[in-house]
Amino acid sequence: QSALTQPASVSGSPGQSVTISCTGTSSDVGGYNYVTWYQQYAGKVPKLMIYDVSKRPSGVSNRFSGSKSGNTASLTISGLQAEDEADYYCSSYTSNDTAVIFGGGTKVTVL
Amino acid sequence: QVQLQESGPGLVKPSETLSLTCTVSGYSITSGYFWGWIRQPPGKGLEWLGSVYQNENTYYNPSLKSRISVSVDTSKNQFSLMLRSVTAADTAVYYCARERRVGGSVSLFFDFWGRGTLVTVPS
Repeated sequence: QSALTQPASVSGSPGQSVTISCTGTSSDVGGYNYVTWYQQYAGKVPKLMIYDVSKRPSGVSNRFSGSKSGNTASLTISGLQAEDEADYYCSSYTSNDTAVIFGGGTKVTVL
Repeated sequence: QVQLQESGPGLVKPSETLSLTCTVSGYSITSGYFWGWIRQPPGKGLEWLGSVYQNENTYYNPSLKSRISVSVDTSKNQFSLMLRSVTAADTAVYYCARERRVGGSVSLFFDFWGRGTLVTVPS
């Protein structure tokens, strides 16, 4: 069971948009609309940001949006702010062993 | 507000069993959610370990299946993790979390997390 593939880092200037990709297979990302994104500040607890590919929990800024095409899901942060600097992890349900797999994480840096 | 708190030893000797408990407050552990464990080695990413629903359904990470068990104590509103035969590779921050699954099996997300507890296994 391999982890989902994310870029190690992305960066952008304040006000810009950045997109983080998350690539899996047809057994996970591509096969189900159950991709989730978490935000984690250094030394802090992960926070649920997006579920079911594109749904935002109450209280999450609409600057965060999710999408999916084939085996790749994406998280876009619009109007980048300093407070968005954190690690972001994708995860997906996988039919292999009814398990949960995570991506390796992407560090977002605000220049 | 749903709150979770991990507890257990911070140091476990190699080959021994790691045991952690998660105490849930503000929500009944029998009210329709799964309860899961996730860990994060220092400086690394997240890894799902296993999940349980009222001791009726359990799902485990296949890479740990031979060493792990997760159970619920409904009388105490707690759930627990046991990981046997630990090595230094099991050193990590261990989180407990509430998990939404549909159809009894399909995981959607972890929405409430404990603060995490660091467990060290010396090499």
